[in-house]
Amino acid sequence: AQKITQTQPGMFVQEKEAVTLDCTYDTSDPSYGLFWYKQPSSGEMIFLIYQGSYDQQNATEGRYSLNFQKARKSANLVISASQLGDSAMYFCAMRAFNAGNMLTFGGGTRLMVKP
Amino acid sequence: NAGVTQTPKFRILKIGQSMTLQCTQDMNHNYMYWYRQDPGMGLKLIYYSVGAGITDKGEVPNGYNVSRSTTEDFPLRLELAAPSQTSVYFCASSYPSGGQTQYFGPGTRLLVL
Repeated sequence: AQKITQTQPGMFVQEKEAVTLDCTYDTSDPSYGLFWYKQPSSGEMIFLIYQGSYDQQNATEGRYSLNFQKARKSANLVISASQLGDSAMYFCAMRAFNAGNMLTFGGGTRLMVKP
Repeated sequence: NAGVTQTPKFRILKIGQSMTLQCTQDMNHNYMYWYRQDPGMGLKLIYYSVGAGITDKGEVPNGYNVSRSTTEDFPLRLELAAPSQTSVYFCASSYPSGGQTQYFGPGTRLLVL
């Protein structure tokens, strides 16, 4: 079975500073993908970034980067230069390729950006 | 490209009533999914489909049914609504290759009273 753990229920960050959202995962499948989604107060789920388990480099997408430490089974999201619009819930998710097409989600972290 | 669209946006049901949540995608994705999100929680998979005519159960399928007659549409049916089905329902779709990144619709908020 797959499991995703997000240990930070809520976090504050000052505008323009960087912030790291933690995510640890557990799977016995050697082939898997890790995802981060943003859910603003309006409720939609917005895909941010993807990391494959065999990718050699950490994924980056604009101000988002994924700090992938395979041995520690962690996939932390780093947001650089935080903006007020980054205030939202952030979900880490995993798909193990031998376990069907299910995304397993963590419980989420609420990020609040202070002006 | 509209992406993934869902109707209705919000619905109130009485216990025992039935309804169908509609989901359509125009990205020609083979894979489609239904999730539910309870307050303060992450999403849980209800059903998914890898193509027209093929569906399979996810983590929490009880109380729901699905069908997939076309690539574009993947409706979710609630037969006998119960208060435990009060939730926000998300439909998603993805390609079968690569990382299979799932793209989500805006969600349907359902309240069962």
